[in-house]
Order: sequence, then C-alpha cells, then structure tokens
Amino acid sequence: QVQLRESGPGQVKPSETLSLTCTVSGGSVSGHYWSWIRQSPGRGLEWIGYIHYNGNTVYNSSLKSRVTISIDTSKTQFSLKLNSVTTADTAVYYCARSSSSWSANFDSWGQGTLVTVPS
Amino acid sequence: QSVLTQPPSTSGTPGQRVSISCSGSTSNLGSNSVNWYQQFPGTAPKVLISNNNQRPSGVPDRFSGSKSGTSASLAISGLQSEDEADYYCSSWDDSLNGAVFGGGTKLTVL
Repeated sequence: QVQLRESGPGQVKPSETLSLTCTVSGGSVSGHYWSWIRQSPGRGLEWIGYIHYNGNTVYNSSLKSRVTISIDTSKTQFSLKLNSVTTADTAVYYCARSSSSWSANFDSWGQGTLVTVPS
Repeated sequence: QSVLTQPPSTSGTPGQRVSISCSGSTSNLGSNSVNWYQQFPGTAPKVLISNNNQRPSGVPDRFSGSKSGTSASLAISGLQSEDEADYYCSSWDDSLNGAVFGGGTKLTVL
C-alpha cells in the first residue's frame, strides 16, 4: 500500500517561494504520475500540476508561470516550488498519485499540509 | 468558479437514495471519464468512483456512478449516517490540458 506524506514550512511570507516535498513509501515512483493539488475555502480543489517518473511535467495553465515540480527517483520524493506567493496561495496542499496522463483519477493522496501566506 | 458544476448541498434520510450531479462540457466530461471523491473534515479526499462507474476495492456497492454526454451523477443508495461528507467530481479537460474538479457537494444525513 503506497503512502504519501507532504512536508515543508507551514508559513511562507508574501512574494517568497513555497517549497514542499512529498515522500512516497511502500511503492515505486516508476510508472506513475505524481501531482500536487491544493484546497482552499474560496477556490475548492485545484490541480497544480504533475510530474511523470521520467521527468515530464504538465502544469495548470493558471499557475504555470510560478510553478516547478521536480522528482528525485532515488529518494522516491517529488517536490513543488511555487514562487511569488500571495495570500491567495494559502491552502492545504496535497500530493497525489495517478496512473495515467490525461487522468483525474487520483488513487492515493497524502494527508495534506496547510500552508499559510500572511497578509 | 469551478470548471465542473455541482450543487453546493443535498440531504437525505437514512435508507434513502440520493444523487449528486456534475455538469461539464465537451472538453472534459464529454471527452474524458469522471471520478468521484469523498472527503471528511480534516482529511484528504478518497476516490469513491473512478472511470465513470468503477468502484475501487473496499468501496461499498451502495455507491454507483454514471455518465452521459457532458453530465455525470453519483448515486448513494441505502443512505447511512457515515455517508455525511463532501463529494467532489473530477475529470481531465482537453482544452485546459489539466485535471479539473467540481466545487463539491455537502451531503447531510438528516
């Protein structure tokens, strides 16, 4: 049973870069797509982007200019960087797994981590 | 404003059958499959229905999904108090080239 766990700072100052890591245990990162998804009261669930184990990425067009997702297959970790954050980026951030591209079937999720950008 | 449209709330009594709708467009539900998630407060969403009507292992057969054209529906029969949760639909959108979600439906068991 694969498990995902997010880690990173719980607070990021405005204009700085949000950095989170997702550690995958109990399974391989190979053959899957690894996404970041966030949830805030005002915006609901929002897909940020995914990375394939071979390094290919697809990002949400509304966030593309600020997002970088990378993967370290040796450590079975993948990471999110979101720069120039504002209060609108305050959300619970989840990492999740899907088994194909062009898919919104996320079969495993981390527990989520709250990131706050103070005003 | 979510790409997929769901009613904000619905309710039912124990034993009843309830349905939650999800409306999209030709670029998402019209072209790709729908997935449904159940979320309890303070926890991550959990996939309930994948690929329109497939139940992952462990999901009771009280939950069923269907899709027709640009609309989809999640049905819950034999409603139980533990079904009280938020429900979200999702799909891939070919125009946006990304995953999209509905705004969520809060189910209250009266």
